[in-house]
Amino acid sequence: AQKITQTQPGMFVQEKEAVTLDCTYDTSDPSYGLFWYKQPSSGEMIFLIYQGSYDQQNATEGRYSLNFQKARKSANLVISASQLGDSAMYFCAMSLSGGSYIPTFGRGTSLIVHP
Amino acid sequence: DGGITQSPKYLFRKEGQNVTLSCEQNLNHDAMYWYRQDPGQGLRLIYYSQIVNDFQKGDIAEGYSVSREKKESFPLTVTSAQKNPTAFYLCASSIGRGLNEAFFGQGTRLTVV
Repeated sequence: AQKITQTQPGMFVQEKEAVTLDCTYDTSDPSYGLFWYKQPSSGEMIFLIYQGSYDQQNATEGRYSLNFQKARKSANLVISASQLGDSAMYFCAMSLSGGSYIPTFGRGTSLIVHP
Repeated sequence: DGGITQSPKYLFRKEGQNVTLSCEQNLNHDAMYWYRQDPGQGLRLIYYSQIVNDFQKGDIAEGYSVSREKKESFPLTVTSAQKNPTAFYLCASSIGRGLNEAFFGQGTRLTVV
């Protein structure tokens, strides 16, 4: 079984500051992928960043970085220099090589960026 | 442009009626998924298909049915047996092999009136 936990229902951040969104996971499969998606109020899910379980370095994509701590089974998303347009729901997800690669999602974190 | 198209965006259903949500993709993806989203619940898997003419139940399949007659299409029928169908429904697709991201449609908001 696989499980994704996001413990922060809501987060607030000041514009231009950095924010960390927490995600922990649980799996016994050694080969897995971790994903973060953004869901603005329009509803569609936008892929942000990916981290593979065998990747040695933390993933980065522009202002997004993933703080991957394998031993602690955490995959936190860091957004640097927050912008008003970053206000949205953020979902952490996991796929397992032994689980037919089906994405499993956490409950999400609502991020609000204040001017 | 490649992508996933869901229709309609909003759907209203009377109690006791079946309704079908459309999902079409032109990404040449093998795998397609249907998720249900309720406030505070995240995304829950209803059905998935990894190849044409084959599909599997997800975590909350009761009251739903699907078909996969074409690679591009994966319609979801919400039957009258679904006790609480009011929700936001998201269709997604992925390559299906390997740890690749999923691509999503814009969703269908279903309301029972």
